[in-house]
Amino acid sequence: SQQGEEDPQALSIQEGENATMNCSYKTSINNLQWYRQNSGRGLVHLILIRSNEREKHSGRLRVTLDTSKKSSSLLITASRAADTASYFCATDAISEYGNKLVFGAGTILRVKS
Amino acid sequence: KAGVTQTPRYLIKTRGQQVTLSCSPISGHRSVSWYQQTPGQGLQFLFEYFSETQRNKGNFPGRFSGRQFSNSRSEMNVSTLELGDSALYLCASSLVVVSAKNIQYFGAGTRLSVL
Repeated sequence: SQQGEEDPQALSIQEGENATMNCSYKTSINNLQWYRQNSGRGLVHLILIRSNEREKHSGRLRVTLDTSKKSSSLLITASRAADTASYFCATDAISEYGNKLVFGAGTILRVKS
Repeated sequence: KAGVTQTPRYLIKTRGQQVTLSCSPISGHRSVSWYQQTPGQGLQFLFEYFSETQRNKGNFPGRFSGRQFSNSRSEMNVSTLELGDSALYLCASSLVVVSAKNIQYFGAGTRLSVL
């Protein structure tokens, strides 16, 4: 089962608008990451936020974390056509075999020019 | 520094065959993880290798196996292919063992089609 669940599943906006994606997770976490995947390619790490942080910025990206609600959001400001991609959150999950990184289902973002 | 390299990029096989995929991690990275990505199931963790030892594995049948060599390069093998094995297989490397505090670097993936 997936630890993180993103919503919306798909988002279509105009260039220049802001895009917000949300991620909810089930168990307590120490860290949460966001990745981007261009169509049919590998994932690229965007940002990591620790459980004791509430907000983090990187360029046009802003990530928030609310551990009480077990949720995180990724905001992309002033979106560009090149931001068109799928976005995934990832958290730790402990299994009988050890620790692994579990990805949510992802949000597909389309930025129209 | 070269990124994670996966070969081949595309592969077409028929049911019942077996396939071997290769992954060369970033130089110095000792952890290699494999994921299967399908439209229906999303990104599913297959296994992680660290210093030639399988450190963790996901919920996949024994037809899926892997190994890691002393130079950290990794291979995964799928035997007796089924139609449902059609997917994008992604390899990721990291300096140390997988966790959400460590960044994973992904290859471009191998697109496997089983006919």
